[in-house]
Order: sequence, then C-alpha cells, then structure tokens
Amino acid sequence: DAKTTQPPSMDCAEGRAANLPCNHSTISGNEYVYWYRQIHSQGPQYIIHGLKNNETNEMASLIITEDRKSSTLILPHATLRDTAVYYCIVRGNTGNQFYFGTGTSLTVIP
Amino acid sequence: DTAVSQTPKYLVTQMGNDKSIKCEQNLGHDTMYWYKQDSKKFLKIMFSYNNKELIINETVPNRFSPKSPDKAHLNLHINSLELGDSAVYFCASSRLAGRTDTQYFGPGTRLTVL
Repeated sequence: DAKTTQPPSMDCAEGRAANLPCNHSTISGNEYVYWYRQIHSQGPQYIIHGLKNNETNEMASLIITEDRKSSTLILPHATLRDTAVYYCIVRGNTGNQFYFGTGTSLTVIP
Repeated sequence: DTAVSQTPKYLVTQMGNDKSIKCEQNLGHDTMYWYKQDSKKFLKIMFSYNNKELIINETVPNRFSPKSPDKAHLNLHINSLELGDSAVYFCASSRLAGRTDTQYFGPGTRLTVL
C-alpha cells in the first residue's frame, strides 16, 4: 500500500485558506487519495477524495499533481471549527481498509 | 437519525472481564468495520465484514470476536480484557467492499480497563 507523508502540525489564521500538503510518491495508478479529519474525541469525518483530477465539494478542494505523487487539501476559509487532525490516505490495494498515518494537526487561530 | 451509532460511548471495566460494544448503521451499507485508536492516536483497522461475512481480520488477538447478526449491525465482543485493550474503538461502514468507497465512522467507544 502506498504510504503518505504529512507535516505533523500547521497553523492557519481564521478566515484564511488552509493548505494541507501530502506526499504519496509510491501511489499506484489506480489508487485514490482520500482525506479525512478527526475533531477531538469524535470519529473520523470524510472530506473528499480523488484519483487524477482536482476535486471540489462543499467542504474543501483537492489538488492532485499531474504525476500524482503529492496532493494538497484546501479549506478555502478556515474557521475555528476546522481545528482537527487531517489524514491523507491512499486506499489499500489489497483490500478495502484505510491505513491512517499520523496526520497533520491543524490549529485555526482567531 | 445518526448514520453510524455505537453503544456505549464510555466503558470502564476491570481486567479479566468480558464486554461488548454494539454498532449499528442505517445507511443501507454492505460493509462494516472496527478500528482501534490507541493512546498515541494511531487509528488501525481490526475487522471488516461484508454482508455478514468476515473479509478482513488484521492481527488481532482471538479474545476479540466480531459478530454480525445482519448487514446493519456489527458488534465487538472482547473476552478477558487486558490493560492494553484500553483505547477508543470506532465502527465504520461503507456501501461496498470496494477500493473507492467512502467509509463513514461512528462517534467511538472509549474503553478503559482498570
């Protein structure tokens, strides 16, 4: 399974865009990139996923580089409620399990 | 109308006891999962069931036994609880046991073994 690398922590000012990077240089051609977040003491929450093209939904945008070796999750206008640990996951190709790494702890500052 | 629910939310028990955690999903999904999140916040899959059949069983002690009475329920029974079992346990579900299907998680059950 492709592994991911994320910075352990980031800060973002409230109202600004939060850009969370992820490296997945060993990703296979048919593996998707998923993003989840976990707000303290809650279950992980699905944010977005993509294969090759950039994706956008009501929560975030996902930018995947052309070589697919890295991606960036963008929260366009971060709020205090976006403070959480964000996980970048490449879907396992030997089954349907998600392998969660250590994620990025995002703190939105007032 | 919670999508994935778990009971109890908190569970405190003595070492050696047997306990169960229940999970129910009302999303009509075919696949359900149990994850364990330890004190270092690593979230690791334990089991996966598709249509009541076990399809993933990671390296988990056989004191842990999942039970799926129907597609909407996946309960986790733990025998002879040990201190190291203390963790937060999350249930999740997805529509299909496929590579691209999104998993939806429950709120978690915090198990403390004394």
